[in-house]
Amino acid sequence: AQTVTQSQPEMSVQEAETVTLSCTYDTSENNYYLFWYKQPPSRQMILVIRQEAYKQQNATENRFSVNFQKAAKSFSLKISDSQLGDTAMYFCAFMNVQGAQKLVFGQGTRLTINP
Amino acid sequence: EAGVAQSPRYKIIEKRQSVAFWCNPISGHATLYWYQQILGQGPKLLIQFQNNGVVDDSQLPKDRFSAERLKGVDSTLKIQPAKLEDSAVYLCASSLGLLRGPGNTIYFGEGSWLTVV
Repeated sequence: AQTVTQSQPEMSVQEAETVTLSCTYDTSENNYYLFWYKQPPSRQMILVIRQEAYKQQNATENRFSVNFQKAAKSFSLKISDSQLGDTAMYFCAFMNVQGAQKLVFGQGTRLTINP
Repeated sequence: EAGVAQSPRYKIIEKRQSVAFWCNPISGHATLYWYQQILGQGPKLLIQFQNNGVVDDSQLPKDRFSAERLKGVDSTLKIQPAKLEDSAVYLCASSLGLLRGPGNTIYFGEGSWLTVV
């Protein structure tokens, strides 16, 4: 079974700084998808960015980018020019290509952006 | 486009009582998921439907939890009898489905918060 590990329970940075959230995962599959979701206090999970494992190029979405290291099974999220609205829980998640397409989540990182 | 709708948003019940949560997925989405998120943890899949069939319910505590998706649209998740450890947010999510290729984006509702006292 796949597992996802986020080793940073909490992080805190100043507004406008850059922050990197870490994620590692374990799988025997060669092809899969990885995601970062943001969860504000309202609890709705919002997709931030996704990465397809067979693509070597790292995904980017405006201020959000990932560092995908397939051999190391590492998938970190970098937030540039952080904003107060980025304050939330961030979850890394894994999805298999084969079989049931379900998300397996990590434990989450609570990110606080300070003014 | 309307998102995933869930109700009720909040529910407080006593242990051994029953509760039901309702979910209406995004129109046209064939796959529907129910996740349980205990405070301080990541969401855990309880059950996954493809249309009105069950794809995965391996982590559903079947002695007390049940779910159905009649007609392949709306879904109901029921807990009976509830235990203190069932206190959590129950997230419903949907996607276009397995037949539309891998990696479809999964969209989440705002969740139903359950407190068992």
